[in-house]
Amino acid sequence: RKEVEQDPGPFNVPEGATVAFNCTYSNSASQSFFWYRQDCRKEPKLLMSVYSSGNEDGRFTAQLNRASQYISLLIRDSKLSDSATYLCVVWGYSSASKIIFGSGTRLSIRP
Amino acid sequence: EAGVTQFPSHSVIEKGQTVTLRCDPISGHDNLYWYRRVMGKEIKFLLHFVKESKQDESGMPNNRFLAERTGGTYSTLKVQPAELEDSGVYFCASSQDLPPGSEQFFGPGTRLTVL
Repeated sequence: RKEVEQDPGPFNVPEGATVAFNCTYSNSASQSFFWYRQDCRKEPKLLMSVYSSGNEDGRFTAQLNRASQYISLLIRDSKLSDSATYLCVVWGYSSASKIIFGSGTRLSIRP
Repeated sequence: EAGVTQFPSHSVIEKGQTVTLRCDPISGHDNLYWYRRVMGKEIKFLLHFVKESKQDESGMPNNRFLAERTGGTYSTLKVQPAELEDSGVYFCASSQDLPPGSEQFFGPGTRLTVL
């Protein structure tokens, strides 16, 4: 079993729709959680950190469920520019080697 | 402010040859990381520098890979001799502090193809 698992998608949704995807992690000692966005053939860029209480940034909402060991990302009123691969990143302990990337969920927004 | 830069953007070499990848982090970032993404797989951690010191190199696949960060500025990752399975995209990232204290900024990557 992978340490961080994501549904690879692709999720194909119309512009304006709400879309959500989850990411599960296996290590209960994981401390920090992030969502990164990666456009085709580009580098990953931090979208948002995920806090225990949940957090929102504009149209994006991230949630953490420690009991079930998953994080989620909700995108409301999706835009064409939201089309990208969304990477779940989990970081445990205090060592950089514990930064684990999911393989990503592809999202495609259609007009 | 300049971001993380990597050179070259692409490299195509034959099996058995040597390749050196370079990463210039954001100025002032003590933490520098190397990652690799093999086709169809997730991004994997290779190693982490704090200034010029290797903090963690547990992700390095084998002794054909050598990373350096002379003077705590730019870093190089040498693969010698290259094998077919070394093909992939090598990302460098830098940060002021360890996550989650500060954000990791990624470079555009070097796409390495070993024939």
